[in-house]
Amino acid sequence: GAGVSQSPSNKVTEKGKDVELRCDPISGHTALYWYRQRLGQGLEFLIYFQGNSAPDKSGLPSDRFSAERTGESVSTLTIQRTQQEDSAVYLCASSYGLAVNEQFFGPGTRLTVL
Amino acid sequence: GDSVTQMEGPVTLSEEAFLTINCTYTATGYPSLFWYVQYPGEGLQLLLKATKADDKGSNKGFEATYRKETTSFHLEKGSVQVSDSAVYFCALGGGGYQKVTFGTGTKLQVIP
Repeated sequence: GAGVSQSPSNKVTEKGKDVELRCDPISGHTALYWYRQRLGQGLEFLIYFQGNSAPDKSGLPSDRFSAERTGESVSTLTIQRTQQEDSAVYLCASSYGLAVNEQFFGPGTRLTVL
Repeated sequence: GDSVTQMEGPVTLSEEAFLTINCTYTATGYPSLFWYVQYPGEGLQLLLKATKADDKGSNKGFEATYRKETTSFHLEKGSVQVSDSAVYFCALGGGGYQKVTFGTGTKLQVIP
C-alpha cells in the first residue's frame, strides 16, 4: 500500500517568505509526527498529533512555526517569515496508535532558505 | 527530560568485521527502545525494537538488548556487509511518552 508522502520534495525560498509543507500519512494511522533534521544532525521533534486530541507542540522552536491536521488525514507545517536557520529536511512520520508502535517516515521536504 | 546519547561517527569498518554502536538513554518511565536506519537516498525505517527490560530486538543480523541497569541499548552485528552502510538512529518512546526521542545518528561505512 501507499506509504507516507510529503510535498514538495524540495523547496527553495527567500528569507522572510512563508512556506507550507504537506504530509499525507498512511491511511488509518492515528498518530502523526513532524521532525526537523539539520545537515549532519539528528532528528529534532517538532509536533505530534494523536487522533482528535490536542497536539503536543512542545518541540516547535518559535511562534513562526505552526501545524495543523484535519482529523486523521493530511497535515500541513507552516513556517512564517523564514530564516536561514530554518534550512533543513523536514520529516513526517505516522504510526498506528501510541509512540510504542513503529513509525513510518516520509521521504522528507528539503527546505533551503536563501 | 528524556534523552538518547549515541556514539559519534562516522564508524568505518571492513566487511565481515564486528559492529557495536553504543546507545544510552535517560528516562523516568519505562519506554520502548528502537533502532532506526536510514540507507543512502532512502527514508528512515525501523530496524528493531524492544519494549521492556531484558528484551532483545533482532532483525537482518542486528541485535540490541534493553539493559535497564545500565540504561543502554547497544546495537551489534557479528559480520557487517557493504550493504549495511547507513546512518543508524537510537530512539525511545512509549511507556507514557507520547513522542519519540531520537539520538543524533551514527554513520556507518563498510568497506570491501
